Amino acid sequence: QQQVKQSPQSLIVQKGGISIINCAYENTAFDYFPWYQQFPGKGPALLIAIRPDVSEKKEGRFTISFNKSAKQFSLHIMDSQPGDSATYFCAASSIGAGSYQLTFGKGTKLSVIP
Amino acid sequence: DTGVSQDPRHKITKRGQNVTFRCDPISEHNRLYWYRQTLGQGPEFLTYFQNEAQLEKSRLLSDRFSAERPKGSFSTLEIQRTEQGDSAMYLCASSSGQFSNQPQHFGDGTRLSIL
Repeated sequence: QQQVKQSPQSLIVQKGGISIINCAYENTAFDYFPWYQQFPGKGPALLIAIRPDVSEKKEGRFTISFNKSAKQFSLHIMDSQPGDSATYFCAASSIGAGSYQLTFGKGTKLSVIP
Repeated sequence: DTGVSQDPRHKITKRGQNVTFRCDPISEHNRLYWYRQTLGQGPEFLTYFQNEAQLEKSRLLSDRFSAERPKGSFSTLEIQRTEQGDSAMYLCASSSGQFSNQPQHFGDGTRLSIL
């Protein structure tokens, strides 16, 4: 049972464009939603995270939008750059339930073309 | 702050052999996590320590897998009688904080290949 569904599987965006990656979850106990960026041969690196008490969080070019009623959240990358080309993972955990394990989506491979 | 360190970076072994991986977390991080990542998939949780106590274990952690964190610092993950399906990237992460969630910082993993 996949608890966090991520789409699309791959994404090609032109330099300067907006990249949008979507995730949906099933477990209503999830209360912490981070996004990670992973380059080949490297471990995932935290980009930005959100708790369900806010609907949007922005850090630089990265924005998370969160819709609690729809159980969906998304990552927007503004002014996408070739250096953003990587695999992006959404994740979720149930901090309030005392569970710190992260459940990851399957990832989105982003390619930003010049 | 030198980041999460994992050793070795690559391990090639024959089916049936035992392997052990080491993880050194970020200094003073009291939480340590192990995940497994197969090609084209997101990381899957294996187990989690708070200090030296192993608090969560996934169903993925069969009886061939054992993890330890004897002094609440570094951790080891051992796989006994390796199988083809154990081929994966094994990732370690650490975080700080006892009563609030702090971000998990990942190492670059140990890639295990079973011949």
